[in-house]
Amino acid sequence: DAGITQSPRHKVTETGTPVTLRCHQTENHRYMYWYRQDPGHGLRLIHYSYGVKDTDKGEVSDGYSVSRSKTEDFLLTLESATSSQTSVYFCAIRGGQLNTEAFFGQGTRLTVV
Amino acid sequence: QQQVKQSPQSLIVQKGGIPIINCAYENTAFDYFPWYQQFPGKGPALLIAIRPDVSEKKEGRFTISFNKSAKQFSLHIMDSQPGDSATYFCAASVETSGSRLTFGEGTQLTVNP
Repeated sequence: DAGITQSPRHKVTETGTPVTLRCHQTENHRYMYWYRQDPGHGLRLIHYSYGVKDTDKGEVSDGYSVSRSKTEDFLLTLESATSSQTSVYFCAIRGGQLNTEAFFGQGTRLTVV
Repeated sequence: QQQVKQSPQSLIVQKGGIPIINCAYENTAFDYFPWYQQFPGKGPALLIAIRPDVSEKKEGRFTISFNKSAKQFSLHIMDSQPGDSATYFCAASVETSGSRLTFGEGTQLTVNP
C-alpha cells in the first residue's frame, strides 16, 4: 500500500457542511494526488501537490481545496458539501523504482445527504 | 472532456479466454500509459505500464499493445482466471508535468470458471 493511510474510510455528512479528508504517507514522497471515482468516469484528478505548500488544481477542483503543511499529510476539504460530491475519494503518491508510478490508498467513501 | 476513451464497459469471458480492453487517447503529449486493476473496496493497483518508444510489453499473463500512430493501446490477459475478475482502468500522463493521470472510464471484467 506504499505506506498510504486515508481517513476516515467512510463518512456520511449533510449538505452544506464542511468536510476534511486526510491522506497520510510514511515514505517521504514528494508528489501526492487526490482523485475522485464515479461510475462511468473512471478516476478524475481533483488537486495535487509537488511539495510542502505547493499545490495545484486538477480537472475537477471546483468546490474543493487542499493543504499540505507537512510532507506526510495532504488534506482535501469540501468547503460546503453538495450531493454531487458523493463519491469515493482516493489519495495517491508518486513513487516506484523510477519514481513514475502512482500508488493509491484504500479510498474514502463519502456520502452527502 | 474525456481525453482517454476506454472500451468495452464490461466484458465476460470463460476461464482460459483472452479478454482485450482497448483505449484511445487524444493528447499527443502523453508519454506514459499505465493500466490499473481494482478489486471491490480497494484502491487501484498498477498492473503494467508502457512508454511510446515500444509497441508491446509483456509481464506474466498481461500484455500491452501500443499503436502510436493510431493513438491507441490495449490490454490483453492471457489464460484468464476467475481471480482476474476486477475493474481495469487505462490511464495516460505527461511525465514531465507531474505525472497527473488521466483515466479511462473503466472496464468491469468477469471471468467465469
